[in-house]
Amino acid sequence: QVQLQESGPGLVKPSQTLSLTCTVSGGSINSSDYYWSWIRQPPGKDLEWIGYIYYSGSTYYNPSLKSRVTISVDTSKNQFSLKLSSVTAADTAVYSCARVGDTVINYMDVWGKGTTVTVSS
Amino acid sequence: DIQMTQSPSSLSASVGDRVTITCRASQSISDYLNWYQQRPGKVPKLLIYAASSLQSGVPSRFSGSGSGTDFTLTISSLQPEDFATYYCQQTYSALWTFGQGTKVEIK
Repeated sequence: QVQLQESGPGLVKPSQTLSLTCTVSGGSINSSDYYWSWIRQPPGKDLEWIGYIYYSGSTYYNPSLKSRVTISVDTSKNQFSLKLSSVTAADTAVYSCARVGDTVINYMDVWGKGTTVTVSS
Repeated sequence: DIQMTQSPSSLSASVGDRVTITCRASQSISDYLNWYQQRPGKVPKLLIYAASSLQSGVPSRFSGSGSGTDFTLTISSLQPEDFATYYCQQTYSALWTFGQGTKVEIK
């Protein structure tokens, strides 16, 4: 079955760029059936959807983060990535990647285990 | 943005109880409503999609209903592994948003 795994630094300095990668195994990212998404959850707070990417490279971002977010895909490595620039302490969160199992209804049916990113000097 | 409001924010219940959680959207979202379960220290798990469709592998004691602005998640007989936080999510608008969560605790 499809599995997702996040990877990247757990500590990022303020004003720098957070970079995470999600590796997809057990299935191909190069499919027209799915979107690939990033979500985050600050400690003790609600879930926040960051954005998604399609295998073709088309993207959609949360407008509140759009100026700082880039999601990209590498179909040769079966990976997609998140970059969040100019981070502050408010960007400290558990970051999760997920598959969007239907591109019409849009539900996230497979999730990575999440990775904690702390923004601190 | 479409605001999603869940109630209650938390509840205490006993094993075997019937539990109902509600989610209200700030505008009509048709049936573009999903429910997730999040256990402590874990990422969310999809339970229900399109308001009432049970995700594969999810026990049948979970059910969802509603359309438009008002939705419910029902657990027909609460089990020990169901103590968790539950979130609704709308995907009707281009900006997907979650409710604030409902924490189900042991009475």
